[in-house]
Amino acid sequence: QITLKESGPTLVKPTQTLTLTCTFSGFSLTTNGVGVGWIRQSPGKTLEWLALIYWDDDMRYNPSLKSRLTITKDTSKNQVVLTMTHMDPVDTATYYCTHGLRREACSGGRCYYFDYWGQGTLVAVSS
Amino acid sequence: QSVLTQPPSASGTPGQRVTISCSGSTSNIGSNTVNWYQQLPGTAPRLLIYNNNQRPSGVPDRFSGSKSGTSASLAISGLQSEDEADYYCAAWSDTRSGPFVFGTGTQVTVL
Repeated sequence: QITLKESGPTLVKPTQTLTLTCTFSGFSLTTNGVGVGWIRQSPGKTLEWLALIYWDDDMRYNPSLKSRLTITKDTSKNQVVLTMTHMDPVDTATYYCTHGLRREACSGGRCYYFDYWGQGTLVAVSS
Repeated sequence: QSVLTQPPSASGTPGQRVTISCSGSTSNIGSNTVNWYQQLPGTAPRLLIYNNNQRPSGVPDRFSGSKSGTSASLAISGLQSEDEADYYCAAWSDTRSGPFVFGTGTQVTVL
């Protein structure tokens, strides 16, 4: 049974750095064809993909946020960490951690879909 | 800002068939597969359809997906009250770094 859970601060101040941790179980991030991604949802319900780290240590970022994002993994702890610098009130959102799976007979970073999601963690940015 | 366009709302009575459209471009839907997600109130999105028309285990066969050119559709047949939710399409985009993009979302109401 695959589960993911996000943890981190519920409130950050503008200009601060946000660090979120995804702790997962039921799969290994060393397995070929597996990844862990981060997706956020604004209060207005818009969904935005942020980043994805693959089983082979490759990483992919949303170009519009790439300069602010870093994604890392610790396979011994079954954790993935996302950091986002220079937080702004517009970054207020629910942040989801997701399990990514490569579909069959496909190679490349765009072959992944997100089949399991954590419950999400609401992060507010305010002074 | 979403690059995949969906109608903001759709509705039907129990038992009816409801179809939701998702319009994209050659750089996303036109060249990559489409996924569909269902989000019940207060919960995380749930994968309904992947690879245009594949259902994960546990998803009822009332839900079906299709794709043609730069558009995709999700059909819900035999609409049930528990289908009242927000639905989002999603696909990879063949821009230089290939972000994964979502649709604007469609709220389905069961009358």
